[in-house]
Amino acid sequence: GAGVSQSPRYKVAKRGQDVALRCDPISGHVSLFWYQQALGQGPEFLTYFQNEAQLDKSGLPSDRFFAERPEGSVSTLKIQRTQQEDSAVYLCASSLFIMGTAKNTEAFFGQGTRLTVV
Amino acid sequence: GQQLNQSPQSMFIQEGEDVSMNCTSSSIFNTWLWYKQDPGEGPVLLIALYKAGELTSNGRLTAQFGITRKDSFLNISASIPSDVGIYFCAGRREYGNKLVFGAGTILRVKS
Repeated sequence: GAGVSQSPRYKVAKRGQDVALRCDPISGHVSLFWYQQALGQGPEFLTYFQNEAQLDKSGLPSDRFFAERPEGSVSTLKIQRTQQEDSAVYLCASSLFIMGTAKNTEAFFGQGTRLTVV
Repeated sequence: GQQLNQSPQSMFIQEGEDVSMNCTSSSIFNTWLWYKQDPGEGPVLLIALYKAGELTSNGRLTAQFGITRKDSFLNISASIPSDVGIYFCAGRREYGNKLVFGAGTILRVKS
């Protein structure tokens, strides 16, 4: 597709259940980011990949959160033993470049996955 | 939590009016970005600023990178109904490429 694709769009999980959220970046994009957006807030950084290497995972809130990008394209964000505070929209963004230096080098965001933990 | 202070939180204005919103930080950023997010969608980049003092326009939108590198503002001139949405500022520090976002400004336009 032309843009960053995320699936599922909506996920309802029972507390304690494990979930996996998928991101298909734009083909050939080197950089991939995951952000968490709580209701009424701006996105908050979770983790960053450059190709298959996870270079920054400083934003992952706990060891229940795990992300991978094994072949440098599709990425999966996994949340184990979900809790109510994990309810949020999870946004994926990808960029052809390692660092933005002009508007057309910045990352494109997907539509997000809305996770609701009940 | 958020490290950028974005104001105002919300605005309800008349169609045709100009809009101004800003973002401040206690620390320096070397890039400032402004995004718009519609319901159920991801943020879409409006303007990117890379140099202190830089003033950049995109149609009816104008944004400036503060000279201290700790603030930025976005102006929208002659607002129209499709300007409705949530506007976010975002900053990127000198080292690293992750973005720090403000909490957003909700813009509503009366036609």
